[in-house]
Amino acid sequence: GAVVSQHPSRVICKSGTSVKIECRSLDFQATTMFWYRQFPKQSLMLMATSNEGSKATYEQGVEKDKFLINHASLTLSTLTVTSAHPEDSSFYICSALWGAASTEAFFGQGTRLTVV
Amino acid sequence: SQKIEQNSEALNIQEGKTATLTCNYTNYSPAYLQWYRQDPGRGPVFLLLIRENEKEKRKERLKVTFDTTLKQSLFHITASQPADSATYLCALDRKGGSYIPTFGRGTSLIVHP
Repeated sequence: GAVVSQHPSRVICKSGTSVKIECRSLDFQATTMFWYRQFPKQSLMLMATSNEGSKATYEQGVEKDKFLINHASLTLSTLTVTSAHPEDSSFYICSALWGAASTEAFFGQGTRLTVV
Repeated sequence: SQKIEQNSEALNIQEGKTATLTCNYTNYSPAYLQWYRQDPGRGPVFLLLIRENEKEKRKERLKVTFDTTLKQSLFHITASQPADSATYLCALDRKGGSYIPTFGRGTSLIVHP
């Protein structure tokens, strides 16, 4: 199956700093990527949908200026958490669709962000 | 409002038995429904997709049913093994046309040897 690589898997940062998370599709071109966050024992909450070469579409309640998403190529999307605060600590997961008509999402391994 | 409901309590079963997990939804008209497996600290892994015009889908020891009248999907694992222990998530497409997967909270399955 298709592989999506997410990096880093864990990161600890200080309050007020920014953190960048990368999501790469290794063996396919992903026209659409999704970013989720997940709190313990909770469902994956969609943050934004990212299409290559265009601006991301953010879900209601997600701050665009705080969670910057860039989908510069068909194999790479990045999520930057700016001016991180402890409440941003969570598990962030990306996924990618293989082709516009795809109905199978391939997920990265997730990034555990801890803001201290 | 739209809801995807899965049992929040863990399902504990004995090895060799059949595990049955439930996914109920309200205020959706999904063209398809998917099941994923998620291990602790990992991203979900796709297992099965079933379309609205399909009643049942099988893959090895897995079976999924989809009842659009009851707005319910059942996910079965036959001859369960301890390695099947994980959280199982159901997901629906939120919009017609482009696929945007929306997930339930998941049900934890624990298979005891």
